[in-house]
Amino acid sequence: SQQGEEDPQALSIQEGENATMNCSYKTSINNLQWYRQNSGRGLVHLILIRSNEREKHSGRLRVTLDTSKKSSSLLITASRAADTASYFCAADQGAQKLVFGQGTRLTINP
Amino acid sequence: GAVVSQHPSRVICKSGTSVKIECRSLDFQATTMFWYRQFPKQSLMLMATSNEGSKATYEQGVEKDKFLINHASLTLSTLTVTSAHPEDSSFYICSAPSGPGEKLFFGSGTQLSVL
Repeated sequence: SQQGEEDPQALSIQEGENATMNCSYKTSINNLQWYRQNSGRGLVHLILIRSNEREKHSGRLRVTLDTSKKSSSLLITASRAADTASYFCAADQGAQKLVFGQGTRLTINP
Repeated sequence: GAVVSQHPSRVICKSGTSVKIECRSLDFQATTMFWYRQFPKQSLMLMATSNEGSKATYEQGVEKDKFLINHASLTLSTLTVTSAHPEDSSFYICSAPSGPGEKLFFGSGTQLSVL
């Protein structure tokens, strides 16, 4: 399977804590993207990091990319109850064809 | 920002019928659109790449006669599940890039339930 792996599969933390999710992929990439999905809904693009970048920030989000290890991490700081969702990494292998990771189900407890 | 509209959001049909799902780019043109399938609590699996004015490119294991894709205009791609069976029940999502190398915008998905 081309699909990447994410860990943890599920994460439950208290509001205000930081949440870290990890992603590994199998092939070379143009960029790696992170998406959020609320239950039964479409995906919302969070952040894109290009293969020549190592770290990127957007608001409370911080993404790292290690192409030598074919891995990426997403950090959400100061979590809020509204951050509860599933988070997916997606590797762009070229031509914007995305291969998604298995996803992390994040639960933020008030 | 760019918006992709997908409908219907939910459809229930009898086994043997065909179901058409539409994906529209509302404020940009998309020569390429992507169709994904998602089972409960699982990841998205790319089914096919829809190409405006030409045949779709299907991923390995996806039956092209089962999942008909038409991309007749720069703003509309359709996925038709033909002779649907209960095992076709799933969440189908489309996406489109707003430009070469740009991020993808996703539709809100269609939950298909085949009885």
